[in-house]
This record gives sequence, C-alpha cells and structure tokens, in this order.
Amino acid sequence: QQQVKQSPQSLIVQKGGISIINCAYENTAFDYFPWYQQFPGKGPALLIAIRPDVSEKKEGRFTISFNKSAKQFSLHIMDSQPGDSATYFCAARRGNTPLVFGKGTRLSVIA
Amino acid sequence: DADVTQTPRNRITKTGKRIMLECSQTKGHDRMYWYRQDPGLGLRLIYYSFDVKDINKGEISDGYSVSRQAQAKFSLSLESAIPNQTALYFCATSDLDGYEQYFGPGTRLTVT
Repeated sequence: QQQVKQSPQSLIVQKGGISIINCAYENTAFDYFPWYQQFPGKGPALLIAIRPDVSEKKEGRFTISFNKSAKQFSLHIMDSQPGDSATYFCAARRGNTPLVFGKGTRLSVIA
Repeated sequence: DADVTQTPRNRITKTGKRIMLECSQTKGHDRMYWYRQDPGLGLRLIYYSFDVKDINKGEISDGYSVSRQAQAKFSLSLESAIPNQTALYFCATSDLDGYEQYFGPGTRLTVT
C-alpha cells in the first residue's frame, strides 16, 4: 500500500515557468510533510517542509501548498531555472517514525 | 569532508555472493537509515536504527541485514545477492527529532 502518492512521474517546464508537483496521502496521523531535492549522482537533500497547521510555506521561489481536508500537498517552483532540474520527492511522517517517501518526480527545465 | 560517507561507491558482484555496504557519519546523530532507490519506485526504507542498541525493519527488509557497530557506523549486508537487488543504496542520518535526514552520496550496486 503506497502511503504517499506523487504525480507526475516526470515534468518538463520552460525556463521561467511554474513547476507544480503534487502529493496525496491517506494517513491523517501524518504531521510533517517535507520535500527533498536530488541532483544526479547525489543523495537527496531537504528542500522545504510544512506542518499541517499552516496552509502554505514559502522559501524563495519554492512554495508548499497544503490542503488538509483533501489530504494533499504540492510543491510550486516559481520562475523555474535549468538549475532546478532534479528529482523531487515528497514525504510524510507520523510522530517520531521514519519518513515515507513518494516515488519521485523528475523535473527538466528547458531553456 | 562529507558528513555522511558510503563505501564502496560502486560495486559489481555475482549472484549468491555476500556483500557489505558501509556507512559512516560525523554529524553525531543517533539515528541512521538505509534506503534503496529504484527508478519509478522512489526511496524505500530497508532498515533503521534509533541508537546503537536499536534496530528496526523497514518496508523491504527481506534479503538484507544490518549492523550498528557504533553511533557513527551502520552497515548493510546482502547475505546472498540476487539480481533484483541491483539498485542505488543510500544511507541517511538524523538527530533525535528526525525532521531532517542527511543522505550520503549513495552506493550503486549491480548484481549479475
């Protein structure tokens, strides 16, 4: 049973455009929702995270939107740049348990 | 120097061989994790350890074993490697609250 469903699997965006990646979850006990960014040949690294008591968190060009009633959260990358080309993973966790990751989205930003 | 190191970085082995992947960290974290990454399947948790005396199975522990030799060292073993264990393996660490996991550079394992 996949606990965190991520879409799309791959995404191509023009430079300057908005990249949007979506995740959905079933377990209402999840209380922490991070996004990780992975460049080729590297391990994933924390990009941005949100707790369910807020609906949006913004850090520079990266924004998480959180919809608790729909059990969905999404990553928005504004003014996408070629350097943003990477694989993005959403994740979730309940309390002190390990993170559960989505299957990843490969983002390509083309000039 | 990298905070989380993994050795080897690449390994090719034959079916039936025993292989050990090693992870070391200098972050002083208590928690360590082993993940497997496959295309289209994301990151799946194999084993995790919240301290030296604590070992827990993850989502896909069958065919794997681990050893937590010290706070800084966490090894993953494949007792008898099989081709479908060909994957990219990541070690990660976190502090007690576990909010941020720090990943190593990965080990690419090929089982022929």
